[in-house]
Amino acid sequence: NAGVTQTPKFRILKIGQSMTLQCTQDMNHNYMYWYRQDPGMGLKLIYYSVGAGITDKGEVPNGYNVSRSTTEDFPLRLELAAPSQTSVYFCASSHGLPQFFGPGTRLTVL
Amino acid sequence: ILNVEQSPQSLHVQEGDSTNFTCSFPSSNFYALHWYRWETAKSPEALFVMTLNGDEKKKGRISATLNTKEGYSYLYIKGSQPEDSATYLCAFPLGGGGADGLTFGKGTHLIIQP
Repeated sequence: NAGVTQTPKFRILKIGQSMTLQCTQDMNHNYMYWYRQDPGMGLKLIYYSVGAGITDKGEVPNGYNVSRSTTEDFPLRLELAAPSQTSVYFCASSHGLPQFFGPGTRLTVL
Repeated sequence: ILNVEQSPQSLHVQEGDSTNFTCSFPSSNFYALHWYRWETAKSPEALFVMTLNGDEKKKGRISATLNTKEGYSYLYIKGSQPEDSATYLCAFPLGGGGADGLTFGKGTHLIIQP
């Protein structure tokens, strides 16, 4: 099993550009999550999903969108990138407890 | 807003010494408390999920205890080794169940000095 995979590993965006962060898991987990990690702060939940077709907002959803068309994939979309979205993004999945994390995507918006 | 607090923020420990640090969380509507270990340039890795008051879990030289009535958990590391250097995170479910996302503390950054 590859576990949770994320692409790309690194990305630099210009202000106003859009991009999709990809997340795939091969553990047949129903639950999937997106977090962001800012320096000096704890991981913050952006969006989560309890199954295909079901998504819900977390603590910091503004500026992001998600979709969940399959059990395996949970992409995170940034529509109009802003410098405040410079962060490290982690995807995670679980059956419940605990959560398994992907390797992260480091995003810089200039 | 759920507050999960960890202390200390950072800790320098001599190799071979034992150490411990704290996570405090809301004591009402308790469901579970998670401990994760996060090494630099890697992703967080689950250490323990604790669900019962008085729970004590152990993995090698690392153990954790839980007090849900007063809202705290301790993580202990016995005989610290350089490979124990990492950030240790605790996390609490945002909602009331296992499907919910987690709110994390800022972590305790542990450095083991040879």
